[in-house]
Amino acid sequence: EAEVAQSPRYKITEKSQAVAFWCDPISGHATLYWYRQILGQGPELLVQFQDESVVDDSQLPKDRFSAERLKGVDSTLKIQPAELGDSAMYLCASSLGLATDTQYFGPGTRLTVL
Amino acid sequence: EDQVTQSPEALRLQEGESSSLNCSYTVSGLRGLFWYRQDPGKGPEFLFTLYSAGEEKEKERLKATLTKKESFLHITAPKPEDSATYLCAVSLAGSQGNLIFGKGTKLSVKP
Repeated sequence: EAEVAQSPRYKITEKSQAVAFWCDPISGHATLYWYRQILGQGPELLVQFQDESVVDDSQLPKDRFSAERLKGVDSTLKIQPAELGDSAMYLCASSLGLATDTQYFGPGTRLTVL
Repeated sequence: EDQVTQSPEALRLQEGESSSLNCSYTVSGLRGLFWYRQDPGKGPEFLFTLYSAGEEKEKERLKATLTKKESFLHITAPKPEDSATYLCAVSLAGSQGNLIFGKGTKLSVKP
């Protein structure tokens, strides 16, 4: 069964350091999403790609966060510099296309900022 | 403001004790409503999509229903392995498809 892959699964860093997360969506899925989930809350969208183009990054803190999907397949989310409040689960999801398709989530990256 | 509210926040059941989880939504226009299951430390696992009032979907011991203002996830004769957090999310009409999630209901089923 096809799955969304993410790495690393866990990341511990000190504040002011740079961190990067990687996501490989289900093969053939054109739309890719990055969500952030704080403990006890539901996931919240950070950025959405359609192929290599950003569709929605209105909730991405652009002073420290960046995301790219250069070839329209896998994607990288970066935080520089990390702050204590960035500690959360970072989830990647993919869907066949925009709007009407179910999103399938990867296992997530648990980030702890010390 | 578009909003999704789930209740209760936590639910403890005995094995075999059926119950329902509620997801109420206030949105400008609904495209679809989604239910996910999330185990601790893992990503959400897709369960159901509902698109129109009156629609129902079933999977093993789970049944999801949709009205114009809320959705219910019915759990019949639950087992300990059904213990998880159940997340409800909506996709808005006219949007690019991103999901707005509730905070979830944490279900514990005791043997």
